[in-house]
Formats: sequence, C-alpha cells, structure tokens
Amino acid sequence: EDQVTQSPEALRLQEGESSSLNCSYTVSGLRGLFWYRQDPGKGPEFLFTLYSAGEEKEKERLKATLTKKESFLHITAPKPEDSATYLCAVQAGDTGANSKLTFGKGITLSVRP
Amino acid sequence: GAVVSQHPSWVICKSGTSVKIECRSLDFQATTMFWYRQFPKQSLMLMATSNEGSKATYEQGVEKDKFLINHASLTLSTLTVTSAHPEDSSFYICSAPKGTGGTPQHFGDGTRLSIL
Repeated sequence: EDQVTQSPEALRLQEGESSSLNCSYTVSGLRGLFWYRQDPGKGPEFLFTLYSAGEEKEKERLKATLTKKESFLHITAPKPEDSATYLCAVQAGDTGANSKLTFGKGITLSVRP
Repeated sequence: GAVVSQHPSWVICKSGTSVKIECRSLDFQATTMFWYRQFPKQSLMLMATSNEGSKATYEQGVEKDKFLINHASLTLSTLTVTSAHPEDSSFYICSAPKGTGGTPQHFGDGTRLSIL
C-alpha cells in the first residue's frame, strides 16, 4: 500500500526565515510525486511534479527536490502570503497515467511578518 | 486561471435531501475525474474514480449507492449524495488530470456540504 508521511505537522516561521518541509513516501514504482498548496476553504493548487530521484524544480521562493525515499520543499525567505497548507502526493507507476494520488496529511505553514 | 470548475461551492440542506455536485474540466477533455472528501485538518481521501462512459470505481468503504457518480461527457462529472445525513457533512473536492500522460491533476475549489 502506498504511503505518504509529511513532517512537521505545522511550522511557524518569521518572514525571511528559510526552512524545509519533508515528505517521506513508499510506493510500488513511482510515476510522479506532486506538491500542492491549499488555502483554507479552497481546493489544492498545483505546484510541482517530480518524476525521478535527483530532479529539482523551482518556482519563485519554492524549490522541490526528490530522492528515492523522500522529497523536500524548500522555502527561501518566505513571506506572509506563503502561509498555507502544503500537500505532498504520490502516484504509483503500475496503474496507468490516470491513476489515483495518495496524499499526505499536509504541513500547515504560518509565516509571521 | 482555473482549469477545473466545481459547483456549488457551498450547500446547506436538511437531513434526507439529495445533493448534486458538478465538476467541469475547462478547455480540456477528461476521460477520468476523481472525487475526494476532506475532513477538517485531515488530508484528501479518494472516494471514487469517475470514468467517462462507464461505471465509476469506488474506494473500499465508500458506499456506491450513497454517492452516485455520473460522467456523461468528457468535461463533466457529477457526484450526488443521496439521502444525506449529518455525518455526510464534509468538504468534497474533484480533480481531473491534464497534461502529458494525464498528469498533473488539477483540482476544483471544493464544495462545503453541511447537513442539518
């Protein structure tokens, strides 16, 4: 069974204080690992897809990395508007391109001004 | 802009009522859509996979007669919560894959369902 564990559960940062969010996973053949941002009362907003170990993706203050066991979402010099819940999800490679995602519980990030 | 539209965004109704939620893919076709449920401070739990032109696939523990799914066109899937009760109150979210190989999945903004 595919499993995704995210840590810490919650993270409070001062504006400008860089940090990393962790996503550990076990999956039978990884098709893709996904990071989403979710604001309260909204659906998840797509951030990144990572397909293989060693891959990195960047977008503004966010950088996602992937190893064979975990992924990190690095936040550089965060701003209050980066406050949200960050979700990690995996898609197994043995069930087709339209197969389901397995989500972690998310990390709630609060950035204080 | 949004690539998946979900409607309504918020529903309050009496116990025993049936509620229909629509999920539309905008400017792309989706032969598969997914329906999730999310409880407060919990992650998204997949309920079912909606397949255009065929029966939906339900996850273990999800009652197919309770949560009716219809995927009648390549851009529309509907979830009907039949005879809803207070325990069905939750945040329901749909998604559709867009892109090469069907990824990534893009999500609607969710429907907050409150059963009195």
